[in-house]
Amino acid sequence: EAGVTQSPTHLIKTRGQQATLRCSPISGHTSVYWYQQALGLGLQFLLWYDEGEERNRGNFPPRFSGRQFPNYSSELNVNALELEDSALYLCASSSGQVPNEKLFFGSGTQLSVL
Amino acid sequence: GQQLNQSPQSMFIQEGEDVSMNCTSSSIFNTWLWYKQDPGEGPVLLIALYKAGELTSNGRLTAQFGITRKDSFLNISASIPSDVGIYFCAGLGAYKYIFGTGTRLKVLA
Repeated sequence: EAGVTQSPTHLIKTRGQQATLRCSPISGHTSVYWYQQALGLGLQFLLWYDEGEERNRGNFPPRFSGRQFPNYSSELNVNALELEDSALYLCASSSGQVPNEKLFFGSGTQLSVL
Repeated sequence: GQQLNQSPQSMFIQEGEDVSMNCTSSSIFNTWLWYKQDPGEGPVLLIALYKAGELTSNGRLTAQFGITRKDSFLNISASIPSDVGIYFCAGLGAYKYIFGTGTRLKVLA
């Protein structure tokens, strides 16, 4: 069974451009989470999607947005890129079955803003 | 952003030694997860804890869900070089999972 897959693996953009990152959850998982991990730092919660709806978002500006498609895959969009947006962006999925929920991560997209 | 306090931040240990790390929060959690992350990769789930006081093992790893529900502990016994990496705790809270600041483990052969 395939795990969480993310694309692209690496993305290089210049300041002011837009970036689109994609995530396919584990088959059967309906919840998708996005986290930002700056170099050497911990994971900062960005967005949570479940059943196609945005359920919660972290303390990030509105230029970070996303969506979840009917097949539960998800897209993260970052507009007006800034240098400090350079980070590893991690997607995770879960079955959404609280309380015995587990979060499984993809390998991430390394975004570099020049 | 919101993060859990993890300690120690980093540690060097000799191969064969036991390792202990912990994670604390000001909030109560109903679930604790422990992950290991290698450079440039996503975190890999090690252990999941769902009940206060629960003690769960996965090979040489043992984790405990604190009685107060505000902390969790991870122990690694007889460390080996491949244990090197960053260990993260995560607690299930209002924002869904909140992650710890990480413990960077380096094992000296």
